[in-house]
Amino acid sequence: QVQLEESGPGLVKPSQTLSLTCTVSGVSISSGTYYWNWIRQPAGKGLEWIGRVYGRGSTNYNPSLRSRVSLSVDTSKNQFSLYLSSVTAADTAVYYCARQFSGTTPLDSWGQGTLVTVSS
Amino acid sequence: QSALTQPASVSGSPGQSITISCTGTSSDFGVYNSVSWYQQHPGKAPKLMIYDVSNRPSGVSNRFSGSKSGNTASLTISGLQAEDEADYYCNSYTISSTWVFGGGTRLTVL
Repeated sequence: QVQLEESGPGLVKPSQTLSLTCTVSGVSISSGTYYWNWIRQPAGKGLEWIGRVYGRGSTNYNPSLRSRVSLSVDTSKNQFSLYLSSVTAADTAVYYCARQFSGTTPLDSWGQGTLVTVSS
Repeated sequence: QSALTQPASVSGSPGQSITISCTGTSSDFGVYNSVSWYQQHPGKAPKLMIYDVSNRPSGVSNRFSGSKSGNTASLTISGLQAEDEADYYCNSYTISSTWVFGGGTRLTVL
């Protein structure tokens, strides 16, 4: 059974780059047709899809965030990472990682989420 | 991309049925039948309840059902129970190979 766990700094200063890692267990991140996603949720607000990375490295991004987002995969550590540059207070949110079995299948397994606060 | 449109809140009494709508554009819904619904309790990660418009993952109660007509998807919960009180989000795979969520609906069980 796949498990996902987000990790990274809980506090980031404005204008800096937010970096989060999702560690995957129970399945090889590069096997099969898996896509690995990031989603965020500001306090009291809805879910926003950030982007996804295929196990072999191709990516898709939310158009509204594309200019600031980068996703990558580290197969040696069975992890994938999110980098969000030039952050502001509006980027304060709980960040979730989630798996898709293949390109159009749903987000069927989620991490528990990690809160990132942007503040000086 | 704009969020899919959901009602902010719905409510119902135990035992009743409720339906939550989710409206998008042809770019959101037009090509794939990849519409999902997620349930989220406070402080918890979302849980997949419906996928591919009307399919239930193993372990999800058959009180939950989904449908789609044109550019509107719907989630129906029958036989409401107190534990159903939560936020519900629709989600669709778009023509641009991206995912878009609805704004979320707060379900209150009276």
